[in-house]
Amino acid sequence: DAGVIQSPRHEVTEMGQEVTLRCKPISGHNSLFWYRQTMMRGLELLIYFNNNVPIDDSGMPEDRFSAKMPNASFSTLKIQPSEPRDSAVYFCASSLPWAGGRDTQYFGPGTRLTVL
Amino acid sequence: GQNIDQPTEMTATEGAIVQINCTYQTSGFNGLFWYQQHAGEAPTFLSYNVLDGLEEKGRFSSFLSRSKGYSYLLLKELQMKDSASYLCAVRGRDGGATNKLIFGTGTLLAVQP
Repeated sequence: DAGVIQSPRHEVTEMGQEVTLRCKPISGHNSLFWYRQTMMRGLELLIYFNNNVPIDDSGMPEDRFSAKMPNASFSTLKIQPSEPRDSAVYFCASSLPWAGGRDTQYFGPGTRLTVL
Repeated sequence: GQNIDQPTEMTATEGAIVQINCTYQTSGFNGLFWYQQHAGEAPTFLSYNVLDGLEEKGRFSSFLSRSKGYSYLLLKELQMKDSASYLCAVRGRDGGATNKLIFGTGTLLAVQP
């Protein structure tokens, strides 16, 4: 199994530019999560999808952030326009649907975003 | 509100035992997870507790007391490779089926020779 795949692994951009992060979940997983991790705030959930449908986007910081999941094998997180405070590591994770059991979330390697 | 507390840092000696505590206050409870995260890497799953008591898996054990809102991760026979951040995460219950996790800020464990 290839695990969760994220691209790019590193992104350096200038303030005001659009940034698109990509994620391919583990095949057969139909829950997908986007997280942001910083030293100050730790790991924060931004948004999650079940069966390609956004369930909870309360963690999305503001309208500059948007996420889509057009099909079961692909999701994007877009920041437009980007700001220096968006600099962080962005993780994508996937899991089997919750059934009251051990639906472990498997994390991708992350995208380290630096906005200058 | 939702709140998860863990110590920020801990130091222990190779071969010793260390206990990392986690207390939580969440809107409902539907399981507690521990993840390990090495520097520059993604979090990886260590353990899961939903009922009170101890779950053992090799050198790692995790304990849960739901009435006290408390969990700990116990690492035995510490090795240098155990130096990492340990994240406590709680799955709440918000009225529907959810697998949303709330993470603590993590405990950075340094294992010294």
